[in-house]
Amino acid sequence: EAGVVQSPRYKIIEKKQPVAFWCNPISGHNTLYWYRQNLGQGPELLIRYENEEAVDDSQLPKDRFSAERLKGVDSTLKIQPAELGDSAVYLCASSSRDRSSYNEQFFGPGTRLTVL
Amino acid sequence: AQKVTQAQTEISVVEKEDVTLDCVYETRDTTYYLFWYKQPPSGELVFLIRRNSFDEQNEISGRYSWNFQKSTSSFNFTITASQVVDSAVYFCALSEAPAAGNKLTFGGGTRVLVKP
Repeated sequence: EAGVVQSPRYKIIEKKQPVAFWCNPISGHNTLYWYRQNLGQGPELLIRYENEEAVDDSQLPKDRFSAERLKGVDSTLKIQPAELGDSAVYLCASSSRDRSSYNEQFFGPGTRLTVL
Repeated sequence: AQKVTQAQTEISVVEKEDVTLDCVYETRDTTYYLFWYKQPPSGELVFLIRRNSFDEQNEISGRYSWNFQKSTSSFNFTITASQVVDSAVYFCALSEAPAAGNKLTFGGGTRVLVKP
């Protein structure tokens, strides 16, 4: 079974430029998460989708960040414009509502963003 | 609000030694789940173990074991007979009940270095 796929793996941009990250979750997983992981810290949730609906975006800086999951499958996270403090690893995860899995989240390899 | 604290930032051991990682959590929920994830240098978070709040039975799974004590809000994790491949950052995480959203709150991580 294929895992969570993310692209690109690495991105270097100058501040004030836009950037987008893509995530394809595990097939059949209804729930998709975007996390941000700053250097030396644990991941922090940015947004959670149930199918195509964003059900928790309380931690998403909405002035510059946006996300979409148009068909309830893959998702895009965008930053516009990027700031120096946005340098981090952006992780995507997905989970199933199958009770046997206890909503275990499966993580992708992440996109490492460097803003210069 | 939920909080997870991993007081140890880095642990260094020699191969075959046991390693115990500490985790203390805070939550007001009566139903919750606790997890340990491993993050190797490749960056992907790998699920290791899970325990729900109703089950304080401690178990062993291969070289991994955990000690869940609700009275002290601790969920410690032990790697027995460590190997070089165990070198990674380990995260303790807390999740509210699946029906409430399943948001994962991570600790700051503990870096484990196993020397040959």
